[in-house]
Amino acid sequence: ETGVTQTPRHLVMGMTNKKSLKCEQHLGHNAMYWYKQSAKKPLELMFVYSLEERVENNSVPSRFSPECPNSSHLFLHLHTLQPEDSALYLCASSHRTGGLGEQYFGPGTRLTVT
Amino acid sequence: QQQVKQSPQSLIVQKGGISIINCAYENTAFDYFPWYQQFPGKGPALLIAIRPDVSEKKEGRFTISFNKSAKQFSLHIMDSQPGDSATYFCAALTTGSARQLTFGSGTQLTVLP
Repeated sequence: ETGVTQTPRHLVMGMTNKKSLKCEQHLGHNAMYWYKQSAKKPLELMFVYSLEERVENNSVPSRFSPECPNSSHLFLHLHTLQPEDSALYLCASSHRTGGLGEQYFGPGTRLTVT
Repeated sequence: QQQVKQSPQSLIVQKGGISIINCAYENTAFDYFPWYQQFPGKGPALLIAIRPDVSEKKEGRFTISFNKSAKQFSLHIMDSQPGDSATYFCAALTTGSARQLTFGSGTQLTVLP
């Protein structure tokens, strides 16, 4: 295990549902990230939190809403998703955004939007 | 636009052979180049990384070659093993207050026994 856990591992939701993805890191890091991984495409950075403040939001639609209540936990709240949002959502953490940037990833949540 | 181009998309190598994956970038602001390895059902894991002030870094069977003038870098896996079968991603890290990783599209490596 990398020290980054994600729940649930699999999620199927309808377009009108509201659900949340959870990430927890046990590495003492203070920066956390959400990525989207789609087949045959590069990992797409969605959000970056440093010291619990959002420092990056890469033009992500508002139907994705992140929350970072403390340096160990990160959530991604989902509502009114589209089928093209189906993907693997990966959480990562690192020591700080100003360092070398070694990021440690969780196993991901496989999301299917029906 | 920040991009990292990776090739090939898939690679099949015989056990004991050399696997080579190539990446190219445009943005000169990148200053750290890691490679990640991802097995099915797992998140990417950092494999090896290089700074642009060196031309080569070796860790065990894994070597990164870096050509700053050509803006290219590559991963070489020597004596490839079936256990190396995974998807490999190159990445590049930008400077600045919010350091971001930009990933290549990935290479699916299959090492035949």
